[in-house]
Amino acid sequence: QTVVTQDPSFSVSPGGTVTLTCGLSSGSVSTSHYPSWYQQAPGQAPRTLIYSTNFRSSGVPDRFSGSILGNKAALIITGAQADDESDYYCMLYVGSGISVFGGGTKLTVL
Amino acid sequence: QLQLQESGPGLVKPSETLSLTCAVSSGSIIDSDYYWGWIRQPPGKGLEWITNIYYSGSTYYNPSLNSRVTISMDTPKNQFSLRLRSVTAADTAVYYCARQRLSGTSAYYFESWGQGTLVTVSS
Repeated sequence: QTVVTQDPSFSVSPGGTVTLTCGLSSGSVSTSHYPSWYQQAPGQAPRTLIYSTNFRSSGVPDRFSGSILGNKAALIITGAQADDESDYYCMLYVGSGISVFGGGTKLTVL
Repeated sequence: QLQLQESGPGLVKPSETLSLTCAVSSGSIIDSDYYWGWIRQPPGKGLEWITNIYYSGSTYYNPSLNSRVTISMDTPKNQFSLRLRSVTAADTAVYYCARQRLSGTSAYYFESWGQGTLVTVSS
């Protein structure tokens, strides 16, 4: 069973830069996993931020970016703002029509 | 703009079957560029992919739920449905339907989501 790993929580200062990562319990994340990232505010449906590693979804500010860093996918937020305080989920496509979400990272901006 | 709307009972008894439908508007489920899927989120927990269906009828299931889940589609009504059998309290969650893009180099991400519907399993 594929397990996608994320840090449970992270904090960033307003205006700062934070890198959230998404790994695999076994192996490395690559572009072939088509990493995607979702932001979820409390009580809301997820919002798609990044897809296929580094493509921003329509309307997403350019301070959100994605990449592969080492053996993990990464979501980089530059110039963090108060309303970036949310839960962030990565998702990997593992083949055969199957996708797996990470456990999510709760980002605090303070 | 594509809209997805989940519907179904908000309360299901243990051991019974959870049934939800996702109505799709401003878009057709007969589209070779997309999967149509279900994702759930237990209260206070993370997202879990459950299942996808393709317009051809091909289906894909989370291995951990495979034995209890069925996804189907109703093309005349432009909707697709989820059935989860033998539910327990652990199946209590917000259930989302969503569209997952397939084609091209920018693929395999959920690009459109329903608002979600809470299903509680309790006697």
